[in-house]
Amino acid sequence: QKEVEQDPGPLSVPEGAIVSLNCTYSNSAFQYFMWYRQYSRKGPELLMYTYSSGNKEDGRFTAQVDKSSKYISLFIRDSQPSDSATYLCAMSLTGGFKTIFGAGTRLFVKA
Amino acid sequence: DVKVTQSSRYLVKRTGEKVFLECVQDMDHENMFWYRQDPGLGLRLIYFSYDVKMKEKGDIPEGYSVSREKKERFSLILESASTNQTSMYLCASTPKGQRFYEQYFGPGTRLTVT
Repeated sequence: QKEVEQDPGPLSVPEGAIVSLNCTYSNSAFQYFMWYRQYSRKGPELLMYTYSSGNKEDGRFTAQVDKSSKYISLFIRDSQPSDSATYLCAMSLTGGFKTIFGAGTRLFVKA
Repeated sequence: DVKVTQSSRYLVKRTGEKVFLECVQDMDHENMFWYRQDPGLGLRLIYFSYDVKMKEKGDIPEGYSVSREKKERFSLILESASTNQTSMYLCASTPKGQRFYEQYFGPGTRLTVT
């Protein structure tokens, strides 16, 4: 069993839709939860991070962590064609060097 | 603007060749990483370095070695390239301390071994 599971998609939505991206994980010791966005032929870039449980909002993006269920989500409101990318969830222990990445979900937002 | 650069975007090598992938960061970051990215498998850590001349194995170090002679430069070496090392290679760096989780990635090198 992988430490982090993420549906690879692809997920195709119309412009303006609310997008929900999810990951599950098995290691209850993870404390940092990140979402990276990766455009085609580019390296990933950090979109959001959350420490421990709870929600965090940044513009159209909301990250949620439910540690009791070992489940994290990224919501994108009013999705735009420019949001078309691969979204990678990632997790880390406190102070750890190692970050575990999900396989990524490919998102297409159609104009 | 922070920057991680990788020496090549695309590389084609033959089986058995020694391959060098170079990564340079201009952010004075202590930590540097090499990952490979394969469809369905995500990013897997090959090696990381937390200081000059210091290195630690990641999850898949077999067939690879690394070198960090200067703080800004981290090299990945494929001693004898094989076809199963065909992949996208990503370098990343992070600062020491509280923002260790914030990894800055280079654009990647797509390596094909024939």
